Amino acid sequence: GAGVSQSPSNKVTEKGKDVELRCDPISGHTALYWYRQRLGQGLEFLIYFQGNSAPDKSGLPSDRFSAERTGESVSTLTIQRTQQEDSAVYLCASSPSTGNTIYFGEGSWLTVV
Amino acid sequence: AQSVAQPEDQVNVAEGNPLTVKCTYSVSGNPYLFWYVQYPNRGLQFLLKYITGDNLVKGSYGFEAEFNKSQTSFHLKKPSALVSDSALYFCAVRVPSGYSTLTFGKGTMLLVSP
Repeated sequence: GAGVSQSPSNKVTEKGKDVELRCDPISGHTALYWYRQRLGQGLEFLIYFQGNSAPDKSGLPSDRFSAERTGESVSTLTIQRTQQEDSAVYLCASSPSTGNTIYFGEGSWLTVV
Repeated sequence: AQSVAQPEDQVNVAEGNPLTVKCTYSVSGNPYLFWYVQYPNRGLQFLLKYITGDNLVKGSYGFEAEFNKSQTSFHLKKPSALVSDSALYFCAVRVPSGYSTLTFGKGTMLLVSP
């Protein structure tokens, strides 16, 4: 597609349930990022994939969070046993190579009730 | 470690007046600097970037930013604000290494009054 595509756009889940968020990067982009934005706050880095290198997982807040990416394509962010504090917008972004512009998707809005 | 500071939570300006949204950064080595805008309930849109070359960078929607190495600043400017410019603005920095992430400031809300 023309831009970074994220799904679902909105998700309401019950506390304790697992959720999966999907990101389709721009075709040909080698780098993929996940960020979290809580209501009224800035962007919090979660994880970064660059080609076939080992991902930078330094931003993942707990072991309930994990992400995978197959090659240079789709990525899935999984949150297990969701908590209310996980409620946020999860933003995915991609870029063609390090140093170039990063392009964001519209985000997946997660609400844990 | 790299960091970005946006000292103002909110900037208020009247339509037609010039606007400035401040950003300072801290990074080892030469920075790549970016500005993004976020409209309500939307993702981030790229506005402009500084990689190298001319310190004055022009971007989308009439915005520009000036890279000042001595002051480690990258302030966003526009000569004449529009009500439609009202949004949340994020400054971001990364280093041009082979493996680096983008670090964002906390954002500045710009409110342009009619």
